Amino acid sequence: AQTVTQSQPEMSVQEAETVTLSCTYDTSESDYYLFWYKQPPSRQMILVIRQEAYKQQNATENRFSVNFQKAAKSFSLKISDSQLGDAAMYFCAYTGGGADGLTFGKGTHLIIQP
Amino acid sequence: EPEVTQTPSHQVTQMGQEVILRCVPISNHLYFYWYRQILGQKVEFLVSFYNNEISEKSEIFDDQFSVERPDGSNFTLKIRSTKLEDSAMYFCASWTGKTEQYFGPGTRLTVT
Repeated sequence: AQTVTQSQPEMSVQEAETVTLSCTYDTSESDYYLFWYKQPPSRQMILVIRQEAYKQQNATENRFSVNFQKAAKSFSLKISDSQLGDAAMYFCAYTGGGADGLTFGKGTHLIIQP
Repeated sequence: EPEVTQTPSHQVTQMGQEVILRCVPISNHLYFYWYRQILGQKVEFLVSFYNNEISEKSEIFDDQFSVERPDGSNFTLKIRSTKLEDSAMYFCASWTGKTEQYFGPGTRLTVT
């Protein structure tokens, strides 16, 4: 079974600084999808960024980018110019695609210090 | 932008009662899912549904759970006899199978 590990239960960063959240996963598949979801106190699941495993180029979405290391099975999220609105739980997730459900990590609570 | 909707937003029920949680997935999506998140814990996969039948289910999805797509638009999760430990946020999601899964806002289930 696939597993997703987020080793940082909590991270704190100063506003406007850069922070990196780590995620590792375990799979025997060669083709799959990885995601970062943000969950604010409202508990809505908001997609931050996605990465298809067959793409070597790291995904970027404005201030959010990933460092995808397929051989190392690592998928970290970098948030640049942190803003107060970035404060939330961040979950890393994996799926093989199709009917496979998402496997989530335990999450990282990101605190933004003003 | 299309969105997944869920009703009700909050459901309170007594232990042993049946509840039905409702979802309207995005219309052109093919795969539908239910997830559960107990407060303070990670999101857990319950079941996936494709082509009008269950595709995969987790160990959590035991005989007290069932899913249905009764009319081609709604997607429901039924819990037959609720237990205290069923108290959680339940998320519905849908996707095409290739981009990202779109999540609904969730239904908070409280079992007393």
